[in-house]
Amino acid sequence: QITLKESGPTLVKPTQTLTLTCTFSGFSLTTTGVGVGWIRQPPGKALEWLALIYWNDDKRYSPSLKSRLTITKDTSKNQVVLTMTNMDPVDTGTYYCALNDTVTHGFDPWGQGTLVTVSS
Amino acid sequence: QSVLTQPPSVSGAPGQRVTISCTGSSSNIGAGYDVYWYQQFPGTAPKLLIYGNNNRPSGVPDRFSGSKSGTSASLAITGLQAEDEADYYCQSYDSSLSGRVFGGGTKLTVL
Repeated sequence: QITLKESGPTLVKPTQTLTLTCTFSGFSLTTTGVGVGWIRQPPGKALEWLALIYWNDDKRYSPSLKSRLTITKDTSKNQVVLTMTNMDPVDTGTYYCALNDTVTHGFDPWGQGTLVTVSS
Repeated sequence: QSVLTQPPSVSGAPGQRVTISCTGSSSNIGAGYDVYWYQQFPGTAPKLLIYGNNNRPSGVPDRFSGSKSGTSASLAITGLQAEDEADYYCQSYDSSLSGRVFGGGTKLTVL
């Protein structure tokens, strides 16, 4: 069974850096073709893709947020970490991580999500 | 503004057929990139419904189907059921943005 779970702070102050961890099980990020992505969703709004890291350490970022994002992996811990700098209240939302698998090439499954609020 | 355009809402009575459109451009759907559809219930994570334009993951009822033509794609739901009431999102890849893109989402209401 494949599972993913996001963890990190629920509240960050404006200008601070957000660090989120995705801990997964049931697959390996050393398997050819596998990737883990981050997607966020402001309250009541649409999904927004943020970043994706592949088994070979290839990294892709949303162009609009690229300057603020860093995605890394720790295959020994089965974790993917996303950092986002200079947080702003508009970054408030639920942050999800999801498997980008080699069969569907879609995001499946997703973690439960973690709500991050940016406020002073 | 989302790169992929979806109607904000659609509705239908139980048993009816509804379709949700997803309009893109020559740099995403029109360029031949696959379209994915996700279903999201309030307060829960999205779930993959359709991949590769018209394929269903294991466990997804065959009442759900996807299609693609030109710069647009559609999700069709036949035999509408009350449990289908949810938000639906399309997703693809955009070569101009060099990244994944989502539609703005469509809220399906079962009357």
